[in-house]
Amino acid sequence: SQTIHQWPATLVQPVGSPLSLECTVEGTSNPNLYWYRQAAGRGLQLLFYSVGIGQISSEVPQNLSASRPQDRQFILSSKKLLLSDSGFYLCAWKKLDPTGPFFGPGTRLTVL
Amino acid sequence: AQTVTQSQPEMSVQEAETVTLSCTYDTSENNYYLFWYKQPPSRQMILVIRQEAYKQQNATENRFSVNFQKAAKSFSLKISDSQLGDTAMYFCAFILNRDDKIIFGKGTRLHILP
Repeated sequence: SQTIHQWPATLVQPVGSPLSLECTVEGTSNPNLYWYRQAAGRGLQLLFYSVGIGQISSEVPQNLSASRPQDRQFILSSKKLLLSDSGFYLCAWKKLDPTGPFFGPGTRLTVL
Repeated sequence: AQTVTQSQPEMSVQEAETVTLSCTYDTSENNYYLFWYKQPPSRQMILVIRQEAYKQQNATENRFSVNFQKAAKSFSLKISDSQLGDTAMYFCAFILNRDDKIIFGKGTRLHILP
């Protein structure tokens, strides 16, 4: 069966510090991968999605970036965090048929 | 551009009652999928039910069922015999077959009262 992991689960970072959130999927190959951000009590904002290794589509211009170094690994990064980057970050995967989309457990990021 | 609208920001019902959550969407295309997700206080997004647009039969998963009206672009979720554990945010979502983006509504916060 397929599983999706995200780490860390929670993160507190100072403004201006770098960020790296990781998402990995097990039990499937060549999934589409997604990063979403959810502010407290709000809806989901699509940040990035990827249909294959090295292929990244950005939905919202911002100081975040994403990379897909391996088929089942998706990384969200920032060189310098802003206060507005605080939120709950969710990774998701799906196949083309589509199977899913299924979400990971999320990372709660607080920027102080 | 595709949009998903959930017109009920918040709802409350008594345990064991039936509740219907509304969702409308806008697209000019014919081939797509629709979804309902549940997000409990843990914030884990759980896929509740999925509907293929080419299927006329409404999808059902145990106590959860949908009323899919393609012409009206409506996709409501019915929860029968509601339980305290159904308390959560519910999101309606949409994917075009030719696209890869998952479009979400803003959610409905559902409270099941004892």
